[in-house]
Amino acid sequence: AQTVTQSQPEMSVQEAETVTLSCTYDTSESDYYLFWYKQPPSRQMILVIRQEAYKQQNATENRFSVNFQKAAKSFSLKISDSQLGDAAMYFCAYMSSNTGNQFYFGTGTSLTVIP
Amino acid sequence: NAGVTQTPKFRILKIGQSMTLQCTQDMNHNYMYWYRQDPGMGLKLIYYSVGAGITDKGEVPNGYNVSRSTTEDFPLRLELAAPSQTSVYFCASNPSGGSGNTIYFGEGSWLTVV
Repeated sequence: AQTVTQSQPEMSVQEAETVTLSCTYDTSESDYYLFWYKQPPSRQMILVIRQEAYKQQNATENRFSVNFQKAAKSFSLKISDSQLGDAAMYFCAYMSSNTGNQFYFGTGTSLTVIP
Repeated sequence: NAGVTQTPKFRILKIGQSMTLQCTQDMNHNYMYWYRQDPGMGLKLIYYSVGAGITDKGEVPNGYNVSRSTTEDFPLRLELAAPSQTSVYFCASNPSGGSGNTIYFGEGSWLTVV
């Protein structure tokens, strides 16, 4: 099974500043997809951003962007102009297109936004 | 837009009891999943299904069973509940085809086994 590693259990950022959350993964596949999900205290899982492995261009969604380094198997999330509502648990996820579209999740990074 | 609906949202079980977590989706997705999330941890796959009549084990299937008689429904059965099964359970669905569509989650079911 693929493994997804988030090495930062907790991160904090000042409101309006920028923060980067790290994610690495291990796979022998060439065709896959990567995601960042946000989980607020309500426990609802909310998609933040997705990246196709075959695309070299980094995905961007408003204040959220990724730095996808395929050779290094790295997929970091950058949050710009951090807002109080960004405080949540963030999960990195890997999706294999070869095994029933299974998703593999990291252990998460808890982000605190300091006013 | 209902999406993925799970019931019940909260449940307390006694050790040895059995129960079924219900999950239904109205998006006509072929792929469905059950995950569990232990406190402070990520999600681990229990079972998944790629279509009606087809199910397969994930990372942590022991103590659970599933069935998929229709495209819409994917119930998770807990037999002989144990304290180790105290967790938050998420049902999810995904369109088929390997196109990298995102996974849609239900709101979670909080289960405590005492």
